[in-house]
Amino acid sequence: DAGVTQSPTHLIKTRGQQVTLRCSPISGHKSVSWYQQVLGQGPQFIFQYYEKEERGRGNFPDRFSARQFPNYSSELNVNALLLGDSALYLCASSFRLMNTEAFFGQGTRLTVV
Amino acid sequence: AQSVTQLDSQVPVFEEAPVELRCNYSSSVSVYLFWYVQYPNQGLQLLLKYLSGSTLVKGINGFEAEFNKSQTSFHLRKPSVHISDTAEYFCAVTPQGAQKLVFGQGTRLTINP
Repeated sequence: DAGVTQSPTHLIKTRGQQVTLRCSPISGHKSVSWYQQVLGQGPQFIFQYYEKEERGRGNFPDRFSARQFPNYSSELNVNALLLGDSALYLCASSFRLMNTEAFFGQGTRLTVV
Repeated sequence: AQSVTQLDSQVPVFEEAPVELRCNYSSSVSVYLFWYVQYPNQGLQLLLKYLSGSTLVKGINGFEAEFNKSQTSFHLRKPSVHISDTAEYFCAVTPQGAQKLVFGQGTRLTINP
């Protein structure tokens, strides 16, 4: 079975642009969470979606938004990019709402110039 | 709110030596505890987790961790490390009943031959 897949793996954007990151969870998993990992730090929670509804939101500005589709895949959107948005964005999927075991994808490395 | 402190940002050890990576957490509610490993340019892989029961948990690749509720610690140990254990290690907690993982800053484990 395929693991959590994220696309693209790398991208470079200019300040002020918008970006969309994509995540496909493990088959059968209904929960998708997004994390931001700035270089040299631990991941920070952005969102969790379960059964297509937002179930948790971290301390991130409204420029960050997400959604989950009927097939449980998810997109993370970031508007008006800032240099500080440069990070590795990680997607995690789990079968249940509660994170007793989350499986992470390889991440999308976003560079804002 | 929860917080996680990994007491060492870097730990250098010689190959075949034992290692301990320290993790302390703060929480006013019961939590689940996790250790994740991140190899260069990759996502996070679950090493082990504590949900309940025995306070000594064994994980993959020969790692184990001990939950100490009175000291709010969850230290990771391995009796003999290998070059392939070189990676970043993250301790994480999630409050029971909550969705997000709260990560520490990470410990870079470097194995010297």
